[in-house]
Amino acid sequence: TQLLEQSPQFLSIQEGENLTVYCNSSSVFSSLQWYRQEPGEGPVLLVTVVTGGEVKKLKRLTFQFGDARKDSSLHITAAQPGDTGLYLCAGAFGNEKLTFGTGTRLTIIP
Amino acid sequence: NAGVTQTPKFRILKIGQSMTLQCTQDMNHNYMYWYRQDPGMGLKLIYYSVGAGITDKGEVPNGYNVSRSTTEDFPLRLELAAPSQTSVYFCASSSPGQGDREQFFGPGTRLTVL
Repeated sequence: TQLLEQSPQFLSIQEGENLTVYCNSSSVFSSLQWYRQEPGEGPVLLVTVVTGGEVKKLKRLTFQFGDARKDSSLHITAAQPGDTGLYLCAGAFGNEKLTFGTGTRLTIIP
Repeated sequence: NAGVTQTPKFRILKIGQSMTLQCTQDMNHNYMYWYRQDPGMGLKLIYYSVGAGITDKGEVPNGYNVSRSTTEDFPLRLELAAPSQTSVYFCASSSPGQGDREQFFGPGTRLTVL
């Protein structure tokens, strides 16, 4: 079973601060996705990264895929209360199944 | 489009009871999935299907069964409910080969087994 470890598990910061969350595995992904989940709802896709070293930006969110395709990071600039939620990374290992990470629960304090 | 719909939203079962969690998608996706999410945790794959008539086990299939008679529907069956099956259950669908391989999730079913 491939494992994806996310860190930190919990993060609480003030509005306007920057933050980075991490997703790590000992296995090589064929692609990696980041989802955000709000209370009482299912996860919603933020981004998919495929190529080692790839960087994608989504407004104030920057996603990076490690060169070896074993890790990824999500950086948020100037966090806002609307960024609050559970962030999940999910790795694909060559087929349509995803393995989800343990999640980072982010709280932005106004 | 409604996307992925799940019923019921909430359910309380007694130990040993059985129930079926319903999942329907209207996006004509071939792939469908069932996950469970325990408090503060990520999602674990229970079963998945790559098309009507085809199902396969995921990471945690014990205690569950599925069927896929149509493209739209993918029900999850619990035969003998146990407290360890208390969780939130999510159904998802995707289209193979779609550019970003996005999985679309339903709103979830919160199940408590007492």
